[in-house]
Amino acid sequence: NAGVTQTPKFRVLKTGQSMTLLCAQDMNHEYMYWYRQDPGMGLRLIHYSVGEGTTAKGEVPDGYNVSRLKKQNFLLGLESAAPSQTSVYFCASSYSWTGSYEQYFGPGTRLTVT
Amino acid sequence: KQEVTQIPAALSVPEGENLVLNCSFTDSAIYNLQWFRQDPGKGLTSLLLIQSSQREQTSGRLNASLDKSSGRSTLYIAASQPGDSATYLCAVTGAGNMLTFGGGTRLMVKP
Repeated sequence: NAGVTQTPKFRVLKTGQSMTLLCAQDMNHEYMYWYRQDPGMGLRLIHYSVGEGTTAKGEVPDGYNVSRLKKQNFLLGLESAAPSQTSVYFCASSYSWTGSYEQYFGPGTRLTVT
Repeated sequence: KQEVTQIPAALSVPEGENLVLNCSFTDSAIYNLQWFRQDPGKGLTSLLLIQSSQREQTSGRLNASLDKSSGRSTLYIAASQPGDSATYLCAVTGAGNMLTFGGGTRLMVKP
């Protein structure tokens, strides 16, 4: 099993450009999450999904949109990138509610916005 | 708002030493606490998950304790090895199905 995979691994954008990050999991997990990690800080939740077709805001949702059209995929979109969105983005998934089940993380996408 | 703090931010120890990493959280209304390991340029690997009703969990040389009422957890690593060098993150699950992470402790074990 591949677990949680993320595409791409690295990306450089210019301010105002748009892009989509793809997360895929092959564990049949219901819940999926997008986090960002900035230097010296822990991960912060951007958006999450509790099932196909559903999404919800996390701690830092502004400037991002998400979609969960298929159970195994969770997309994170940046419509107009800003330098403040330079970060490492992690996707995670869990079988069910995080209160009972651990989250599994992908390897991350390093995004630089110039 | 839940806040999670990890002390120290960085730690360097000689190989073979036993060590303790600390994690504290401000809101004791949590469902569980997890300890993760993160290697440079990599994702997170879950090490231990402690449910709120539990006091500790053990996996090999790792032992994690949880004192929910005081808002504290410790990760004990026995007989440390250079391969244990990594950043260790703790995270708590509170309301809204959200994990709140601490800033991490960067551990270096010297041969």
